[in-house]
Amino acid sequence: KAGVTQTPRYLIKTRGQQVTLSCSPISGHRSVSWYQQTPGQGLQFLFEYFSETQRNKGNFPGRFSGRQFSNSRSEMNVSTLELGDSALYLCASSRGQGGQETQYFGPGTRLLVL
Amino acid sequence: AQSVTQLDSQVPVFEEAPVELRCNYSSSVSVYLFWYVQYPNQGLQLLLKYLSGSTLVESINGFEAEFNKSQTSFHLRKPSVHISDTAEYFCAVSEKVGNKLVFGAGTILRVKS
Repeated sequence: KAGVTQTPRYLIKTRGQQVTLSCSPISGHRSVSWYQQTPGQGLQFLFEYFSETQRNKGNFPGRFSGRQFSNSRSEMNVSTLELGDSALYLCASSRGQGGQETQYFGPGTRLLVL
Repeated sequence: AQSVTQLDSQVPVFEEAPVELRCNYSSSVSVYLFWYVQYPNQGLQLLLKYLSGSTLVESINGFEAEFNKSQTSFHLRKPSVHISDTAEYFCAVSEKVGNKLVFGAGTILRVKS
């Protein structure tokens, strides 16, 4: 079974631009969560989608948004990029929505904002 | 709200020596507990998790962790480490509803020969 895939793997943008990251979950998984990983703040939860609905949201500004499609694929968008948005963005999928579910992580998209 | 504290940012250890990576958590509700491992330039992989039942949980590669409710701890141990165990280890908690993981800051395990 193929794992979680994320595209692109690397991205360089300049301040003020916007970016869209994509995540394809494991087949049969309906929940997709996004995390931001930085050296200073560590791993922080961005949001979770289940059945095309945002179910949970972390403490990030409205510039960070996401969506989920009917095939469970998910995208996240960051508008008006800031230098501090440079990070590794990780997507994770799980079969269901309970806290006991194992989340399977993709390799991440490394975003550099110049 | 939950929080997770990993008490050591780095743990150097010689190959074949035992190791313990410490994790304490704080939560006003019951939570599930997880340990994830991240190898360089990769995503996170689940090492083991505690949901209920026996407080000692084991992974397939020799790690084990013990849930201690009174001390709100979930320390990770391995009796004999290998070079290949060099990685960053993250302790995490999750409420029983929803898929939000709250992570600790991570502990870098460096195994030396």
